[in-house]
Amino acid sequence: QVQLQESGPGLVKASQTLSLTCTVSGGSISSGTFYWTWIRQPAGKGLEWIGRIFTTGDTNYNPSLKSRVTISVDTSKNQFSLKLTSVTAADTAVYYCARVNCGGGDCSFDYWGQGTLVTVSS
Amino acid sequence: DIQMTQSPSSLSASVGDRITITCRSSQIISSYLNWYQQRPGKAPKLLIYAASSLQSGVPSRFSGSGSGTDFTLTISGLQPEDFATYYCQQSYSVPRTFGRGTKVEIK
Repeated sequence: QVQLQESGPGLVKASQTLSLTCTVSGGSISSGTFYWTWIRQPAGKGLEWIGRIFTTGDTNYNPSLKSRVTISVDTSKNQFSLKLTSVTAADTAVYYCARVNCGGGDCSFDYWGQGTLVTVSS
Repeated sequence: DIQMTQSPSSLSASVGDRITITCRSSQIISSYLNWYQQRPGKAPKLLIYAASSLQSGVPSRFSGSGSGTDFTLTISGLQPEDFATYYCQQSYSVPRTFGRGTKVEIK
């Protein structure tokens, strides 16, 4: 059973960099028709896709965040990471990492981490 | 970006009811449409992928249909654990986008 777990500071000061790591267990991050993604959800609001990374290192980002986001992967640790620079209160949200499964003729987010709340303080 | 519009934004129903949630995309996305359930304080859970394929382990009372721009999620025989928020999501193009959600509440 694949499991994902987010980790990182729960409190970040405005203008600084938010850094989170997602650790994948129960399977290799490099195997299969999978890639890896970050999604966030402000309190009481909907879901926003941040970006994705293939194990080749190729990435795609949401244009709304592209200038501030970097997603990277460390296959030796079975982890992938998110960095978001110059954060503001608008970046306060629960951040989820998820696996993207493209094996069914479609790409869907089939496994999710439990989510981690990141609060941006002034 | 492809805009995803869900309706209704909320609905009240009783255990045993059959309900339908609609999702419309701002452009044709073929069958690249997924549905998720989110219970309070929990991560979303994949229910339906490719518009109509049931994710492994998901009860058969959940079903999806549609293609092009119009999609539906149907729950036949609501159970107490089904009271949650449901999101559609398109996987046709980047950036991936979600609907705003439909909250299913107990009547």
